[in-house]
Amino acid sequence: GAGVSQSPSNKVTEKGKDVELRCDPISGHTALYWYRQSLGQGLEFLIYFQGNSAPDKSGLPSDRFSAERTGGSVSTLTIQRTQQEDSAVYLCASSSPGPSGNTIYFGEGSWLTVV
Amino acid sequence: GDSVTQMEGPVTLSEEAFLTINCTYTATGYPSLFWYVQYPGEGLQLLLKATKADDKGSNKGFEATYRKETTSFHLEKGSVQVSDSAVYFCALRTGSNTGKLIFGQGTTLQVKP
Repeated sequence: GAGVSQSPSNKVTEKGKDVELRCDPISGHTALYWYRQSLGQGLEFLIYFQGNSAPDKSGLPSDRFSAERTGGSVSTLTIQRTQQEDSAVYLCASSSPGPSGNTIYFGEGSWLTVV
Repeated sequence: GDSVTQMEGPVTLSEEAFLTINCTYTATGYPSLFWYVQYPGEGLQLLLKATKADDKGSNKGFEATYRKETTSFHLEKGSVQVSDSAVYFCALRTGSNTGKLIFGQGTTLQVKP
């Protein structure tokens, strides 16, 4: 597609349930990122995939959070046993190989509400 | 670790006023610097960038100059419009092709007619 595609755009779930958020990056982009934007907060880095390298998971807030990227393309962010503090917009982004000045493109996000 | 600090908002201006949003950074190595903008109800999009010292990024009347001596990348616009109302994020990216973006907290700009 033309841009980074995320689904669902909105998700309401009950506390304790598991959720999966999907990201389809721009075709040809080997780098994929997940960020979280909480109300009144900045953008928090979660995890980063680059090609076939081991992902950088340094931003995942707890072991309830995990992500995978199959076939070097689509990624799924999974949150197990959701808590109310997990409510946020989850943003996916992708970029092409190259120098650090290469632009990172963001999707419109998945808005998660845990009730 | 690497970090970005932005001036706190919200910033409220009248149309045609001059805008400055301050951004300073701390980084090892030589980062690339970015300003992203998030308009109401929309996703995050790149506004401008600069990849080395003294570079000036510009777009839609906005400018920012990469100042290594002051570790700053302040965003400026000479005459703001109501349509510029948005949240602005300063960010840096280190590394070659493996760097993640590190964002500031964001600054909300509201422009009144």
